[in-house]
Amino acid sequence: GENVEQHPSTLSVQEGDSAVIKCTYSDSASNYFPWYKQELGKRPQLIIDIRSNVGEKKDQRIAVTLNKTAKHFSLHITETQPEDSAVYFCAATKGTALIFGKGTTLSVSS
Amino acid sequence: GAVVSQHPSWVICKSGTSVKIECRSLDFQATTMFWYRQFPKQSLMLMATSNEGSKATYEQGVEKDKFLINHASLTLSTLTVTSAHPEDSSFYICSASVRGTYEQYFGPGTRLTVT
Repeated sequence: GENVEQHPSTLSVQEGDSAVIKCTYSDSASNYFPWYKQELGKRPQLIIDIRSNVGEKKDQRIAVTLNKTAKHFSLHITETQPEDSAVYFCAATKGTALIFGKGTTLSVSS
Repeated sequence: GAVVSQHPSWVICKSGTSVKIECRSLDFQATTMFWYRQFPKQSLMLMATSNEGSKATYEQGVEKDKFLINHASLTLSTLTVTSAHPEDSSFYICSASVRGTYEQYFGPGTRLTVT
């Protein structure tokens, strides 16, 4: 079955720096890769996603890259702000379902 | 649009009792609903996938007789935790999707505490 590995588990950056979170997946049939931000006790919030026929997607300060050959995808946040502090999860499809990585706790200090 | 609600938002029950959690898509018809469990400081773990009118497909290691899932309509799925034990205490989150699309819309979650 699908397995999603996510690194790092924690990431601390200074305000204004960039943050990069990486994920790998095992199922070559996976074709949709969303990234979620989750605050404590809240539902996951979709921040960006990418489909398998696209290599890169950008939305303001957030970008995602996908390398299907290597089966890895990454989240890039530029010009980080304190309000970016949260837990971030990557996910990959297994059929119609999503399998999540273990999460990255991002801390942005001002 | 694409709003998913859950009820209750939190529940406390005694060990050995059963608890039902409802997941509703409020403004769209959800052909597929998913149930996840999230322990503190951990990731979302997929429990089961349910298609309207069909039996749920459970992930390996999830007891189907303990976690009863019903998806009787295109807007409602329920998860019943039977004979709950303290180790079932967790945050249960549902999500819903529309056939032919990838995006899942998440409910706000239900915090279950079993005493």
